[in-house]
Amino acid sequence: GDSVTQMEGPVTLSEEAFLTINCTYTATGYPSLFWYVQYPGEGLQLLLKATKADDKGSNKGFEATYRKETTSFHLEKGSVQVSDSAVYFCALFEGGATNKLIFGTGTLLAVQP
Amino acid sequence: DARVTQTPRHKVTEMGQEVTMRCQPILGHNTVFWYRQTMMQGLELLAYFRNRAPLDDSGMPKDRFSAEMPDATLATLKIQPSEPRDSAVYFCASGFNRRVDTQYFGPGTRLTVL
Repeated sequence: GDSVTQMEGPVTLSEEAFLTINCTYTATGYPSLFWYVQYPGEGLQLLLKATKADDKGSNKGFEATYRKETTSFHLEKGSVQVSDSAVYFCALFEGGATNKLIFGTGTLLAVQP
Repeated sequence: DARVTQTPRHKVTEMGQEVTMRCQPILGHNTVFWYRQTMMQGLELLAYFRNRAPLDDSGMPKDRFSAEMPDATLATLKIQPSEPRDSAVYFCASGFNRRVDTQYFGPGTRLTVL
C-alpha cells in the first residue's frame, strides 16, 4: 500500500541555519502531499501542501516541491528560528474508497539560540 | 477562529475503568477522524466518520473501543475496559466533504491508564 518515509530525527540546528527534512513516498496513483507541524502539547497543523507534480507548497518561510520523478517532497527553510522547534510530519492523501491521510513517523526539529 | 475542541485534555484512570473522550468538530465540517499517537507506533488512524456515519474503523480494537457521532457537533471515543497499553494521546480531526485531504486537528486528549 501507499506509504511515507521521512528522515529520522532529532534534527538539531542553530538559529538561522538552513533546514532540510527529507520525505519520500510510495503510491500507486497521484496523491496530494502535505507537511503537518506539531508544536509541543498541541495537535497537528497543516503547514503546506502540493496537489500535483512540480507544485511548490509554501508557508511561513517553509517550502516543499512535489517531485514525481524522485517521489519526494522534501521540506526546506532558509533560516530557522527557535520558534520552529516542533515535530514535522510528511503525509500523503490516499483518496478513493478509504480517503485516508498516510503519515510518516515524524521528525523532531530542535533549534538552538 | 474555528477550531476543533476536545475534552478532557488530560485523563488519568485505572485499568478496567471506562474512558470517554469527546470531540466537537469545526462547525460545517462533515468528516471526523480519530487518531492515536504513541512513541512506538506514531500516528494511527482509528476511525473515520462522514455525515455521522462510520466509514472506516478498521484501525480500532473492536473488543474494547467504540466510536460514535450522536449528532453533527459531537463525536465520542469510548474505551471499556481500559488497559495500560491504551495510554496515548488521542486526536480528533475534522474536514469537509469527500476530499478530506486537509484535516484540522484538535489539541488531543492525553490518556494515562495505570
